[in-house]
Amino acid sequence: DADVTQTPRNRITKTGKRIMLECSQTKGHDRMYWYRQDPGLGLRLIYYSFDVKDINKGEISDGYSVSRQAQAKFSLSLESAIPNQTALYFCATSDLPGAGTQYFGPGTRLTVL
Amino acid sequence: GENVEQHPSTLSVQEGDSAVIKCTYSDSASNYFPWYKQELGKRPQLIIDIRSNVGEKKDQRIAVTLNKTAKHFSLHITETQPEDSAVYFCAARGRFTGSNYKQTFGKGTLLTVNP
Repeated sequence: DADVTQTPRNRITKTGKRIMLECSQTKGHDRMYWYRQDPGLGLRLIYYSFDVKDINKGEISDGYSVSRQAQAKFSLSLESAIPNQTALYFCATSDLPGAGTQYFGPGTRLTVL
Repeated sequence: GENVEQHPSTLSVQEGDSAVIKCTYSDSASNYFPWYKQELGKRPQLIIDIRSNVGEKKDQRIAVTLNKTAKHFSLHITETQPEDSAVYFCAARGRFTGSNYKQTFGKGTLLTVNP
C-alpha cells in the first residue's frame, strides 16, 4: 500500500547511536502506530498516536520515543541503540476509532551492531 | 490486557487441501477480529475480519468463524494454492488503557502450500 511509506528501508548502525525512523501517510488517517516484528513474537506495539496532540505508550516503549509532527508524519527514535533493538519495524495507520483495520508501511529493517 | 494465542506456529499442506489456523483471546470485551497475511519480505495486509455480532464470514476461499463463548476464532482456507504461502496473523481488538483500545496480535502461523 503506497499510501504509507517508511524511511529508511534498511539501516545498519552501531550500539549507542541515535536513530530515527520516519513514517508518512497520505491516507488522511488520524491514528498512527509503531510496531516491531521479531521472529516468533508477532507484532508488538511500541507507541501509538490518535491525533497530533496525543501520544501513548504501547507494550514495549522502553528505549524508544516518538514524535507526531503532523497528521501525516509519525517518527520513531531510538535514543541510544542497543543490539536487542535489531528488528523489523512497521508503521501503521487506521481510520476507525479504537483501532480498526491497520494499514502497514513497507517496514524498516534495523540492525544494531 | 488482551492476550492472543495462535496455533499452530507452522502449517504445511498440499495444494488443494484446506488449512485451518486457530486463535484464542482473553478479553471478553474484545469485539473485532482481523486476520492479516504477510508474504515474505512484504508488509502485513488485511485479508478478512469479523466483528463480535457475527459468527461466520466468508470471502471466496477464505472464511473466519468466531465463538464468543469459548473466546476463539479461526481462519479457514479452502483449495489452497502456492500463493497462499505466507505468515498469517490473527488479532483481537481489546481494551488497552482507559478508553483506549488496541489490536493485540498473535505470534503468527507460517503456512506453506506444497505444489
